[in-house]
Amino acid sequence: TQLLEQSPQFLSIQEGENLTVYCNSSSVFSSLQWYRQEPGEGPVLLVTVVTGGEVKKLKRLTFQFGDARKDSSLHITAAQPGDTGLYLCAGAVVGGGADGLTFGKGTHLIIQP
Amino acid sequence: ETGVTQSPTHLIKTRGQQVTLRCSSQSGHNTVSWYQQALGQGPQFIFQYYREEENGRGNFPPRFSGLQFPNYSSELNVNALELDDSALYLCASSLYLAGGRTDTQYFGPGTRLTVL
Repeated sequence: TQLLEQSPQFLSIQEGENLTVYCNSSSVFSSLQWYRQEPGEGPVLLVTVVTGGEVKKLKRLTFQFGDARKDSSLHITAAQPGDTGLYLCAGAVVGGGADGLTFGKGTHLIIQP
Repeated sequence: ETGVTQSPTHLIKTRGQQVTLRCSSQSGHNTVSWYQQALGQGPQFIFQYYREEENGRGNFPPRFSGLQFPNYSSELNVNALELDDSALYLCASSLYLAGGRTDTQYFGPGTRLTVL
């Protein structure tokens, strides 16, 4: 059973469109990170959210942490070909101690020019 | 770009062999975590090292072992390699917090291991 469910798994849209990626769980997370990963490289941190209801913006990317700290979303406005990549959400489960980050399977995003 | 480095970048081994992967953590970080990422999947937690001791472990067999050195760098050792061990191995460094948790983890570029 995947602790963190990401949707959609694959998304291909045209340049200029908006999109939202979701990350859902039945577990409560003390913090949640979003990473972006290029093929053959390590994940690069985009944002960390720690407070329920928190919203963070990074240029055209908006990240939201659910009020109950069980889910998160990533919204991209006016997507560009440079946004293409694998987007991963990862969380530290409350009470998980030194259990490492739990990752979703990722969303493969392709922005067509 | 993070300050986490890994070596080698690519490695090819045959089934039954042993392999050692290396990681240097970002300056100021004292905790290293290792992850395995199979093709098309998200990373899976292998284990974490803090103060040169294993501080937490995921669902991986004992043939996956590690070390952390006084300068906080780390090694991942895998014995008796199996075909399914082919994956991208990621190292992440962070700062230890109270209660066994760590602050945000920063990842290295990974080592691509192929087992034939």
